[in-house]
Amino acid sequence: QVQLVQSGAEVRKPGASVMVSCKASGYTFTDYYIQWVRQAPGQGLEWMGWSHPNSGGTTYAQKFQGRVTMTRDTSVTTAYMELSSLRSDDTAVYYCARADYYGSEIDYWGQGTLVTVSS
Amino acid sequence: QSVLTQPPSVSGAPGQRVTISCTGSSSNIGAGYDVHWYQQLPGTAPKLLIYGNTKRPSGVPDRFSGSKSGTSASLAITGLQAEDEADYYCQSYDSSLTGLLFGGGTKLTVL
Repeated sequence: QVQLVQSGAEVRKPGASVMVSCKASGYTFTDYYIQWVRQAPGQGLEWMGWSHPNSGGTTYAQKFQGRVTMTRDTSVTTAYMELSSLRSDDTAVYYCARADYYGSEIDYWGQGTLVTVSS
Repeated sequence: QSVLTQPPSVSGAPGQRVTISCTGSSSNIGAGYDVHWYQQLPGTAPKLLIYGNTKRPSGVPDRFSGSKSGTSASLAITGLQAEDEADYYCQSYDSSLTGLLFGGGTKLTVL
């Protein structure tokens, strides 16, 4: 069965960086896009960007350009999202998710990773 | 501005029918991009409920249905049950953003 298993919760100070990993299994990793979506406490879903594991290509939401980097390691079927220059309003649950193509529905989601930014 | 607008909350009694609207613009829903709907139970990841405007993934009850017209889409839930109480999000693609767009979410309360 398709699974996306994310790394555990993180606590960072303002200005630091964080990397969240997303281990994929149960399907051909290079055939699907990985979307990254975050959700601040009590708030809605916010799209951050996507990567395609086959090509390594990425597209980032304008809001995060310059601060986010999405990468992958196909040898271990894992996608990564690194967010830098963290601020308190980056405190959120970060989800990786699978999509057939860049604009399609998201059919599988990771369990989420809570990133807390606090001094 | 590229936004998908949903009502913040809707409610209904068990057994009733409710609808949740999702209003977009000419750069997303109105441009012909598909609308998808997700259900999010408290403390869990979103779950795909409707894709391609009207299609249900395997395992989703036929009490859930979707529609799309012009720059808007709707999710209908019939025969409301207590376990339907959740947050619901619409999603589409926006050509101005060249990325995904989510609605603000609608909290469904089963009275």
